[in-house]
Amino acid sequence: EVQMVESGGGLVQPGGSLRLSCATSGFAVSSNSMSWVRQAPGKGLEWVSTIYRSERTYYADSVKGRFTISRDNSKNTLYLQITSLRAEDTAVFSCARGFSTGITSPFDYWGQGTQVTVSS
Amino acid sequence: SYVLTQPPSVSVAPRETARITCGGDNIKTKSVHWYQQKPGQAPVLVMYYDMDRPSGIPERFSGSSSGHTATLTISRVEAGDEADYYCQVWDSSSEHQVFGGGTKLTVL
Repeated sequence: EVQMVESGGGLVQPGGSLRLSCATSGFAVSSNSMSWVRQAPGKGLEWVSTIYRSERTYYADSVKGRFTISRDNSKNTLYLQITSLRAEDTAVFSCARGFSTGITSPFDYWGQGTQVTVSS
Repeated sequence: SYVLTQPPSVSVAPRETARITCGGDNIKTKSVHWYQQKPGQAPVLVMYYDMDRPSGIPERFSGSSSGHTATLTISRVEAGDEADYYCQVWDSSSEHQVFGGGTKLTVL
C-alpha cells in the first residue's frame, strides 16, 4: 500500500527557513516523479516543484531560487528545503507521486500535507 | 505562462449531469488530468490523459478534450460528488505543471 506522510511544517518568521519531509512507503521514491504542491488557505492547488527519476528538477517561478527539492533514496523520503519565506508562502504543502516517470504524468497519490505559516 | 480557466462554481440537481470545463490555449494538444478534493482531504485523481479513469472511480465520471476546452462530465450526480475539482496539465513551454483555479461542484 502506497503511503506518504509529510512533516516539518510550522510557524516561521518572514525570511526564515524550514525543511519539509515526505516519508513514503509501498514504492521506491526514486522510481517515480515526485512533486510538492501547496494550497493557501481557501485557495486552489499550486504546483511548487518536481523531481524526476533522472534527478532533473523543476520549480514554479514563485519559488525558484528559494526552494530546493531533493530525495534520499535510502530513506525513501522526499524533501523540500524552503528559505527566504514570505507571508504569501503560507499554505499546506503536500507531496504527490507521479503516476509514472513521464513528464506529463498525473499525480496518483497525495499526502495529507503539512502546514507552513509565515508570520511575525 | 500557460493558464487554465475553470468556472468557479457549477450547481446541479441529484441524478442530473454536471459538466466542468477547463479552458486553455490548444488544450487538445496537452494531456489533461482532473482531481477531486473534498473539504479537509487530499486531492484524488479522477481522470487522467483526458479520458482515462483510474480504478475505483465510478463509470459516471468521464472526460473529453477538444480545441481549447477540456471537460469533466459527471453523470447521475450524487450528493457524495460535491467537491472542488481541478484540472491540470504539463506546459512544455514553461516546463511547469499548471492547475486550473478549481470549480466547486454543488449538488442542490
